[in-house]
Amino acid sequence: LAKTTQPISMDSYEGQEVNITCSHNNIATNDYITWYQQFPSQGPRFIIQGYKTKVTNEVASLFIPADRKSSTLSLPRVSLSDTAVYYCLVGFSGGYNKLIFGAGTRLAVHP
Amino acid sequence: EPEVTQTPSHQVTQMGQEVILRCVPISNHLYFYWYRQILGQKVEFLVSFYNNEISEKSEIFDDQFSVERPDGSNFTLKIRSTKLEDSAMYFCASSGGSDRVLETQYFGPGTRLLVL
Repeated sequence: LAKTTQPISMDSYEGQEVNITCSHNNIATNDYITWYQQFPSQGPRFIIQGYKTKVTNEVASLFIPADRKSSTLSLPRVSLSDTAVYYCLVGFSGGYNKLIFGAGTRLAVHP
Repeated sequence: EPEVTQTPSHQVTQMGQEVILRCVPISNHLYFYWYRQILGQKVEFLVSFYNNEISEKSEIFDDQFSVERPDGSNFTLKIRSTKLEDSAMYFCASSGGSDRVLETQYFGPGTRLLVL
């Protein structure tokens, strides 16, 4: 499984766009990039997943450059309720594959 | 939206006691998982379960742990003789398990286990 590196923490203010970058230099050809969000005392929640280029859903966008060695999760116009830990996971996403979580990025959104 | 449920939300037990954590996965899912998160630490994989048997387990999942799907809806984690270090939040998750490449795991709200 590819190792990921992401910032330990980030701070932002309400209404700003937040970009969290994850490095995954040894990503394999069949690996997908998935981001989960975890609020305190809750289970992780799937945010977005992609393989290459750009993916957008109602919550976030995911930018993946051509070499796929990094990815950026973009949260538009964050609110206080976006304060959470964000995890970048890289691996094949089929079947029963376990999820390997790193330490994640602790995002604090301030008023 | 369908969701994974877990009971109890909190459990306090004495060291050496047996505990059973219960989960109801999303009804049409085929793969089931347990994870744990010690306070302030990473979410750690314990075990995955498919077709009534364990698919994969981590080093954490030793002989003190067992999983079972006793009926068509419940998925349980049993810790036979709890230790202090078993104190953690335990999350159940499930996924559809189709041949689709994109597979999302849905997590329950967790059971906070405290071993005294």
